[in-house]
Amino acid sequence: DVKVTQSSRYLVKRTGEKVFLECVQDMDHENMFWYRQDPGLGLRLIYFSYDVKMKEKGDIPEGYSVSREKKERFSLILESASTNQTSMYLCASSFRTANTEAFFGQGTRLTVV
Amino acid sequence: QQQVKQSPQSLIVQKGGISIINCAYENTAFDYFPWYQQFPGKGPALLIAIRPDVSEKKEGRFTISFNKSAKQFSLHIMDSQPGDSATYFCAASILGNQFYFGTGTSLTVIP
Repeated sequence: DVKVTQSSRYLVKRTGEKVFLECVQDMDHENMFWYRQDPGLGLRLIYFSYDVKMKEKGDIPEGYSVSREKKERFSLILESASTNQTSMYLCASSFRTANTEAFFGQGTRLTVV
Repeated sequence: QQQVKQSPQSLIVQKGGISIINCAYENTAFDYFPWYQQFPGKGPALLIAIRPDVSEKKEGRFTISFNKSAKQFSLHIMDSQPGDSATYFCAASILGNQFYFGTGTSLTVIP
């Protein structure tokens, strides 16, 4: 059974804290993605990575950074958390080929207070 | 700029009825159009998908209709059931490298 696992289901952090969200996939996928999901806005791409140590900005990269040191692991970093980063964060992965789907993790609900 | 536009935002259907969700896109480079279903507290999961060289794909009660010339595609759920109540996202991708999602449709099926 394919799996994308996010390290936390729920997180509460204080404004200004550095926050790490971890994601691991066991499908040997080349691509990994971080999305943010907010009501009425759908899924917005923060960053994606198509290979180890490679990263590309998505639509809303401001205030975020990422790290991919191993193929199976993709981390999202909030350098200094702010209340407007309270959201659901979804990690996904896919093969780098046509006609392929993205597999999602269960999501991390982050609240910044 | 929204790459994939989805409507309606919410939909209420009687049990046994047909649910229809519509999406439109502009980028003709998209080569795959998946639909995802998301239940509360869960990540989205693939429901059904179609390539642009196919006009219709059916899997059980779920059908995608694809109009390449109009750059539109839609999801039809036949004989809608309360268990279908969820949020549905259409998406479009290019070589699996990026997935662009619609804003989602919250479907409620009333018993």
